[in-house]
Amino acid sequence: AQTVTQSQPEMSVQEAETVTLSCTYDTSESDYYLFWYKQPPSRQMILVIRQEAYKQQNATENRFSVNFQKAAKSFSLKISDSQLGDAAMYFCAYRSIMNRDDKIIFGKGTRLHILP
Amino acid sequence: DAGITQSPRHKVTETGTPVTLRCHQTENHRYMYWYRQDPGHGLRLIHYSYGVKDTDKGEVSDGYSVSRSKTEDFLLTLESATSSQTSVYFCAISESRGRPYEQYFGPGTRLTVT
Repeated sequence: AQTVTQSQPEMSVQEAETVTLSCTYDTSESDYYLFWYKQPPSRQMILVIRQEAYKQQNATENRFSVNFQKAAKSFSLKISDSQLGDAAMYFCAYRSIMNRDDKIIFGKGTRLHILP
Repeated sequence: DAGITQSPRHKVTETGTPVTLRCHQTENHRYMYWYRQDPGHGLRLIHYSYGVKDTDKGEVSDGYSVSRSKTEDFLLTLESATSSQTSVYFCAISESRGRPYEQYFGPGTRLTVT
């Protein structure tokens, strides 16, 4: 069974600085999706970025980018120019392509604090 | 934003009472999911549905049942609520036709069992 591990329960970063959130996963599959979701204090789960495993190019969405290392089964999220609105819980997630049930496996989350 | 609503948004109930949470979508997506979120556990899947009247268990299904009689509605029932079911419950939807396979989440329901 696949697992997702986020080893940093909490992190802090100074406003305008760059921070990297770590995520590792375990799978025997070759094709899959990886996601980062953001959950601000409002509790709404928001998709930040997605990565398709068969694509070698790292995904980027504005100030958010990933470092996808398939062989190492690592999927870190880099937030550049951190803003106060980035303060949230961040969840790394894995989705198998082979399973037809669309289930997503979530890590336990990393709480990110932005220091003004 | 995906059209997903959850009702109620907040509920306080007593141990032993039945509780039903509703998830409603306007996206006509095939798959629907119920998660619970607890500190230190992230999101854990309770039940999911892959079509009308087609449901299956997730990793924490004990004490919960679900029903889906229409594409747009997915109900989660706690037959006899316990304090351990105090949590925030999220509904999610997805559509597997074509990539990119992400799930869209509702706003959540905070349930407190006293």
